[in-house]
Amino acid sequence: GAGVSQSPRYKVAKRGQDVALRCDPISGHVSLFWYQQALGQGPEFLTYFQNEAQLDKSGLPSDRFFAERPEGSVSTLKIQRTQQEDSAVYLCASSSRLVTETQYFGPGTRLLVL
Amino acid sequence: GIQVEQSPPDLILQEGANSTLRCNFSDSVNNLQWFHQNPWGQLINLFYIPSGTKQNGRLSATTVATERYSLLYISSSQTTDSGVYFCAVGNQFYFGTGTSLTVIP
Repeated sequence: GAGVSQSPRYKVAKRGQDVALRCDPISGHVSLFWYQQALGQGPEFLTYFQNEAQLDKSGLPSDRFFAERPEGSVSTLKIQRTQQEDSAVYLCASSSRLVTETQYFGPGTRLLVL
Repeated sequence: GIQVEQSPPDLILQEGANSTLRCNFSDSVNNLQWFHQNPWGQLINLFYIPSGTKQNGRLSATTVATERYSLLYISSSQTTDSGVYFCAVGNQFYFGTGTSLTVIP
């Protein structure tokens, strides 16, 4: 079946703009994760959902970052008043059941804030 | 959070050579994954291996959870193996800084 998809693949925003990044997990996957990957670094955890419940948002860097998954499938990561330091690749991953399961990653959204 | 260290940071191999990548982690974990990030940025899971040994073709992995390390073995390397290899541990999947592998024809 289809893998994890993300849109848009590339986003250029002016500093101060709001952006919304979408993640479509593998159908039926219960767990969904968001990560931020800076150039040359490993992905860093942002937040985790189990179905529609956001169980962990400890990695969100500031209150400008907000994530939701209202129906337990598609998720949106929103960044308000973007700053240059928000420039990164945002990765979404899903897994079939529990958090301790194999994760499948989407292609990422590359965000550039000018 | 859990600290994850990977070594070596960079590796250049001649095609056909074998290699071992290491992942050390600072706390006991009940999950560990190895990923390959290709030059286009796609992360592909190689192994979910919280303990024990697994093999998949030319790749194999061993995790010794009690000693807090995991090893990824690549045999008969090919140019398509180039990219960055990450291990990730813990419920939040803390990632290491990766090993960048370049395989030369």
